Amino acid sequence: DTAVSQTPKYLVTQMGNDKSIKCEQNLGHDTMYWYKQDSKKFLKIMFSYNNKELIINETVPNRFSPKSPDKAHLNLHINSLELGDSAVYFCASSPSLRDSSEQYFGPGTRLTVT
Amino acid sequence: SQQGEEDPQALSIQEGENATMNCSYKTSINNLQWYRQNSGRGLVHLILIRSNEREKHSGRLRVTLDTSKKSSSLLITASRAADTASYFCATEVTGTYKYIFGTGTRLKVLA
Repeated sequence: DTAVSQTPKYLVTQMGNDKSIKCEQNLGHDTMYWYKQDSKKFLKIMFSYNNKELIINETVPNRFSPKSPDKAHLNLHINSLELGDSAVYFCASSPSLRDSSEQYFGPGTRLTVT
Repeated sequence: SQQGEEDPQALSIQEGENATMNCSYKTSINNLQWYRQNSGRGLVHLILIRSNEREKHSGRLRVTLDTSKKSSSLLITASRAADTASYFCATEVTGTYKYIFGTGTRLKVLA
């Protein structure tokens, strides 16, 4: 059983398009995250949600809008895609917001904007 | 420099040798975690050390934490080819619920 799943795994699209990435976790966790990993493998947090409530919004352009319909899902919608959005996007979850919670990562979505 | 810088950036060793990688950070933290990322995959949690702990072991992994120097090290003993991966430290910044990942160390273990 997949713990944290993301769809699609690969996404190739043109500049200016709007796209969504979906994430689901079946671990019963309260907290979910979106990370962006650039070409140099630098991993940066974008958003976190706890029980559907936005906790962290880390200076991300307004073109990125997360949505959490329930605590098992955290989707990422991106408007007006730009070349610089090309990266691997990882969803993750953790049991709760309390400290000392390890994160479980999805397999990633490789977004290529042409 | 960025929170969570790791060195070396890349490390190549022979199977059976020990591998040591270091992580430095800037802020007060609740805990520090190490993750492994195989090529093209998501990150996998390896070990967590709390800010009031100095050393922790898990199998062939040994982690140390020196909060006075704001640094941590990960030692992998008796390395195997399967240990080939990138290793990242992640710090939970006190009071923020935010994890900041390091720049990663690419480890290559030669059979």
